Amino acid sequence: DADVTQTPRNRITKTGKRIMLECSQTKGHDRMYWYRQDPGLGLRLIYYSFDVKDINKGEISDGYSVSRQAQAKFSLSLESAIPNQTALYFCATSQMGGDTQYFGPGTRLTVL
Amino acid sequence: GQQVMQIPQYQHVQEGEDFTTYCNSSTTLSNIQWYKQRPGGHPVFLIQLVKSGEVKKQKRLTFQFGEAKKNSSLHITATQTTDVGTYFCAGYNFNKFYFGSGTKLNVKP
Repeated sequence: DADVTQTPRNRITKTGKRIMLECSQTKGHDRMYWYRQDPGLGLRLIYYSFDVKDINKGEISDGYSVSRQAQAKFSLSLESAIPNQTALYFCATSQMGGDTQYFGPGTRLTVL
Repeated sequence: GQQVMQIPQYQHVQEGEDFTTYCNSSTTLSNIQWYKQRPGGHPVFLIQLVKSGEVKKQKRLTFQFGEAKKNSSLHITATQTTDVGTYFCAGYNFNKFYFGSGTKLNVKP
């Protein structure tokens, strides 16, 4: 949905580099999520946020950190990228818990 | 921990054949959602099931939620080439969604 945007759309980086993926939404939703997609593994939850002051770890948070700068912005950081973090990353939003999730277009990250 | 298993991983069908994908959760779910991801795209919401035994239809798509709220299925009747993509279930529990690994559907014209 155009209401959820992600930057960059593609990124190639080297092992050990710090990288930030950004997500913005104009849907006015409180809840935001970061997922990672790997072939054959579906989507796995990295972090989620219920509002600016409420951030929670998901299934696979090790090696990642997040920042909820405003209701509309949720950033994912890799402090020191490693090759097995090569994946497709999606941001999503929802109005309330259990509601429809609206996904951004994704960021394809390659760590060499 | 919470797990949602989805089978099959791949399905190749001839246009006009039916298709079914199944999800099973290790625990009872509050609700389950289904998403479709076209090749190169992002997951797009299809439907949500909340009640035990619920059945919902969208044209050629039929969605079911099991009586125990631990399993669900998506059935497509008479597939078309526009149905190509990966179908994911997502079970909701403990404030989080748990996605199945997806079923990739290929439809031969």
